[in-house]
Amino acid sequence: EPEVTQTPSHQVTQMGQEVILRCVPISNHLYFYWYRQILGQKVEFLVSFYNNEISEKSEIFDDQFSVERPDGSNFTLKIRSTKLEDSAMYFCARIWGQGHGELFFGEGSRLTVL
Amino acid sequence: GQNIDQPTEMTATEGAIVQINCTYQTSGFNGLFWYQQHAGEAPTFLSYNVLDGLEEKGRFSSFLSRSKGYSYLLLKELQMKDSASYLCAVRVGRSDYKLSFGAGTTVTVRA
Repeated sequence: EPEVTQTPSHQVTQMGQEVILRCVPISNHLYFYWYRQILGQKVEFLVSFYNNEISEKSEIFDDQFSVERPDGSNFTLKIRSTKLEDSAMYFCARIWGQGHGELFFGEGSRLTVL
Repeated sequence: GQNIDQPTEMTATEGAIVQINCTYQTSGFNGLFWYQQHAGEAPTFLSYNVLDGLEEKGRFSSFLSRSKGYSYLLLKELQMKDSASYLCAVRVGRSDYKLSFGAGTTVTVRA
């Protein structure tokens, strides 16, 4: 099973602050995904990222969100000005294999906005 | 949009079998996933069905009927550690792994 490491595991921030969540795959890969899950709610798709560009994004992924692959390895999700409703678990995900259909999630980063 | 329905809760006894149903209404269907999620943890991949039929992996099996918009996850020989939420998710479109998730079914295994 492919490993995806996410940092930080938990971040507490004040409303209006910027947050950067990181995803580090063990092996190099082109496709990455961010999902989030508000406590007690469904897992929701945020954005897919292919070859250093956004491939698709959801309605949730508005202008306060951005994704980057700054050094060709780490994959980041930035929230520019956090709101209370951004409190959630944020999961990075990647595909295992070519077209095998197995989408694996990282352990997640818990964001708490106060 | 996608509409994915699954029961909210199920309870079963250790060693028994439980079947979790999932129905979906979607356009551009391209596969159905099942994930297990323990409280406070990430979803763990269980199965992916894109063709009709039953796929078996050890104690877990997953079935898909595309014409009926229906899938089920079968858990056999239940163990206490199987107590978790089970998420049904539909993949739409070929070019991406954008999944729409159901709300999840909480399975409680009792001794």
